[in-house]
Amino acid sequence: DVKVTQSSRYLVKRTGEKVFLECVQDMDHENMFWYRQDPGLGLRLIYFSYDVKMKEKGDIPEGYSVSREKKERFSLILESASTNQTSMYLCASVRLQANYGYTFGSGTRLTVV
Amino acid sequence: DQQVKQNSPSLSVQEGRISILNCDYTNSMFDYFLWYKKYPAEGPTFLISISSIKDKNEDGRFTVFLNKSAKHLSLHIVPSQPGDSAVYFCAASVGSGDKLTFGTGTRLAVRP
Repeated sequence: DVKVTQSSRYLVKRTGEKVFLECVQDMDHENMFWYRQDPGLGLRLIYFSYDVKMKEKGDIPEGYSVSREKKERFSLILESASTNQTSMYLCASVRLQANYGYTFGSGTRLTVV
Repeated sequence: DQQVKQNSPSLSVQEGRISILNCDYTNSMFDYFLWYKKYPAEGPTFLISISSIKDKNEDGRFTVFLNKSAKHLSLHIVPSQPGDSAVYFCAASVGSGDKLTFGTGTRLAVRP
């Protein structure tokens, strides 16, 4: 069974901390994505990557960065966590030009206090 | 600018009846459309997709209709079952496998 694994289901961090959210996929997918989900706003794209060491900004990249050193791993970094970054974070992957949908991880519920 | 819109935040349907979820988009470059289902505390699960060269795609109880001239798509679930109760997101992209723009979701409740 193919999988996208996010390292933590729940995280509580303090304002100003540097936070790392890890995502690993075992499907050899080229494309990987980070979204956040907030009530009434749906899923919003933060960053994405089409290949190793490649990254592109999504719709709401401010306050975030990413790292993709290996094909299977895509990390989201909150440089200095703030309370407005409290959210559900979802990682996804898909094969290039696939005619099926992304595979999502189970999500990380991050609370910044 | 919300390029993909789901104007109904919630929908309640009797078990066995048809559920119709609607979605509108504004970006005429979108040519690939998908529906996802999400339970609380889980990641979204892909349900069904349609490319712009088609106007209908069917998979079991789920059918997606695309009206390109109206920039509108809909998901029909028939018959609806209590296990279908979840939040449904529509999404669109320019090209398959590319970044998706999601709507805000519709919460479906199927009453036994």
